[in-house]
Amino acid sequence: GAGVSQTPSNKVTEKGKYVELRCDPISGHTALYWYRQSLGQGPEFLIYFQGTGAADDSGLPNDRFFAVRPEGSVSTLKIQRTERGDSAVYLCASSSQGPGTEAFFGQGTRLTVV
Amino acid sequence: QQQVKQSPQSLIVQKGGISIINCAYENTAFDYFPWYQQFPGKGPALLIAIRPDVSEKKEGRFTISFNKSAKQFSLHIMDSQPGDSATYFCAASKGNEKLTFGTGTRLTIIP
Repeated sequence: GAGVSQTPSNKVTEKGKYVELRCDPISGHTALYWYRQSLGQGPEFLIYFQGTGAADDSGLPNDRFFAVRPEGSVSTLKIQRTERGDSAVYLCASSSQGPGTEAFFGQGTRLTVV
Repeated sequence: QQQVKQSPQSLIVQKGGISIINCAYENTAFDYFPWYQQFPGKGPALLIAIRPDVSEKKEGRFTISFNKSAKQFSLHIMDSQPGDSATYFCAASKGNEKLTFGTGTRLTIIP
């Protein structure tokens, strides 16, 4: 595809449920990032992959959050035992060279925990 | 600790005027300063970026001014148009680390 694709675009889930959010980066981009954006705020870093490995996961808020990128392309952000405070837009971005170079963002997944 | 402070929170400018958004950072190790534009329901899109070895960068109607000693940088939008109405985020990063974003400025251009 031409850009970063995120699915689903919207997800409503009940408190305590498990959710998976998917990101398809731009073809050939080795770096992939997940950010979380709350209403009226700037994106907050969650995790950064270089290839298949997590180069920096310091932004993951707690152990309920986990992300994988098994083949160095598609990534999945997994949230266990969702809480209402997890409601936000989850953004994925990719770049060809890593942080400090142009990152292209997807349109995000709006997660609502009810 | 908020490492990138952005102001104003919202801004209304008349069509044809100059829009100015300011950011200040704390970490002197930051070496990449991009501005992102975000429309409702969309992800942020890179508008323009600067590195600290230059004091100004211009691309079309968009200019970044950078003051390393004051640890401040700003976005100037010349001849502002209604299509520029969006939320703008400044950001900063250090070396190979992640982007730290400001809190955003909602810009509205009125006819």
